[in-house]
Amino acid sequence: QKEVEQNSGPLSVPEGAIASLNCTYSDRGSQSFFWYRQYSGKSPELIMSIYSNGDKEDGRFTAQLNKASQYVSLLIRDSQPSDSATYLCAVRYGKLTFGQGTILTVHP
Amino acid sequence: DTGVSQNPRHKITKRGQNVTFRCDPISEHNRLYWYRQTLGQGPEFLTYFQNEAQLEKSRLLSDRFSAERPKGSFSTLEIQRTEQGDSAMYLCASRGGARSYEQYFGPGTRLTVT
Repeated sequence: QKEVEQNSGPLSVPEGAIASLNCTYSDRGSQSFFWYRQYSGKSPELIMSIYSNGDKEDGRFTAQLNKASQYVSLLIRDSQPSDSATYLCAVRYGKLTFGQGTILTVHP
Repeated sequence: DTGVSQNPRHKITKRGQNVTFRCDPISEHNRLYWYRQTLGQGPEFLTYFQNEAQLEKSRLLSDRFSAERPKGSFSTLEIQRTEQGDSAMYLCASRGGARSYEQYFGPGTRLTVT
């Protein structure tokens, strides 16, 4: 059973702070990793993909991948109330396997 | 570039009835996926098409569920003899070519079985 685990939430950060979301996965063979944002009642929206070890930055978002530790994270800098959502980590084992999600709340 | 579309957006049905959902992928995407999501959980894979061929089906998918993708364009997901446990959000996602791994989701169909 290939598994994806996310840090349990909910996570609450003040506006302007850095939010850190973490994810571990069980299968060393996986090559592709994704972060999705899901607002309440809506479908998942792809915000980051990462395939190689290291950091990948896109605006206020940075994805970090460490294949040796089987760990992927998402940092959100200068968090805004509009970032409040559930963040889903997904790992590609052929199809996508998702973690259970971490609820992030950014309070003014 | 239009995104993935799904219809209907909401469906309420009585236990025992059959329901069918439709997904129209992004036009140039040849790979199409169906997922199911319940409250507080991540999406769970149901089935996968490459063009018109159904290449993978979850072992969790009972024989009451069937999916098709005629002509490799839109796809339908049918649930026969619905049960209350089928209540969930049904999500469709599409992906481009062999080297493009990003999946883009449609708005989903929320099914409520009473």
